[in-house]
Amino acid sequence: DIQMTQSPSTLSASVGDRVTITCRASQSINSWLAWYQQKPGRAPKLLIYKASSLESGVPSRFSGSGSGTEFTLTISSLQPDDFATYYCHQYNTYSGTFGQGTKVEIK
Amino acid sequence: EVQLVESGGGLVQPGGSLRLSCAASGFIFSNFWMSWVRQAPGKGLEWVANTEQDGSEKYYVDSVKGRFTVSRDNAKKSLYLQMNTLRAEDTAVYYCARARVAGTNGAFDIWGQGTMVIVSS
Repeated sequence: DIQMTQSPSTLSASVGDRVTITCRASQSINSWLAWYQQKPGRAPKLLIYKASSLESGVPSRFSGSGSGTEFTLTISSLQPDDFATYYCHQYNTYSGTFGQGTKVEIK
Repeated sequence: EVQLVESGGGLVQPGGSLRLSCAASGFIFSNFWMSWVRQAPGKGLEWVANTEQDGSEKYYVDSVKGRFTVSRDNAKKSLYLQMNTLRAEDTAVYYCARARVAGTNGAFDIWGQGTMVIVSS
């Protein structure tokens, strides 16, 4: 099974900061990686698919990069609405695996 | 409006069974892979199971193999999760989710609101 390791687990940042979250796969997943944002009590929301494609309606301050086993989600200028938990998700196989999540907190 | 609505959650004793349902609307349900994802209280997301368009292929996370069964009724535009021999560690919010691209597994672009399952005596 493919394992996904996200870092950091928690990140403290201020409005306007550039934020980067990393996700590593235990084996190559090509570009079959997605990023989601989740707020308390809500379902996750798709931000990025196929490693770097921005989902419709998602602000352009969100971007994704990487391929193979190393991936990053970047928020270019953190906004108040961005304080949430972020998850990566591999779908290279017929099944799927999520990373353990990164909580972005107010500094 | 594209929508998924889960139902069927509740309180069940260890060893018991429960059947979750997910009703789809606003899209051609029979064209899409569908998944179940769960989230234990205060924990992260865990992919549980999925099924391809006609329900003939199904995949499960190891921890539920032999206990959970995913199925679908395309005529009713519904996805199901039959959960047997439930354990305390199955306590979670269960979400159904749609793969983004028709005809293949993929990123989940549509999610339901979730249904809570509590396994406790």
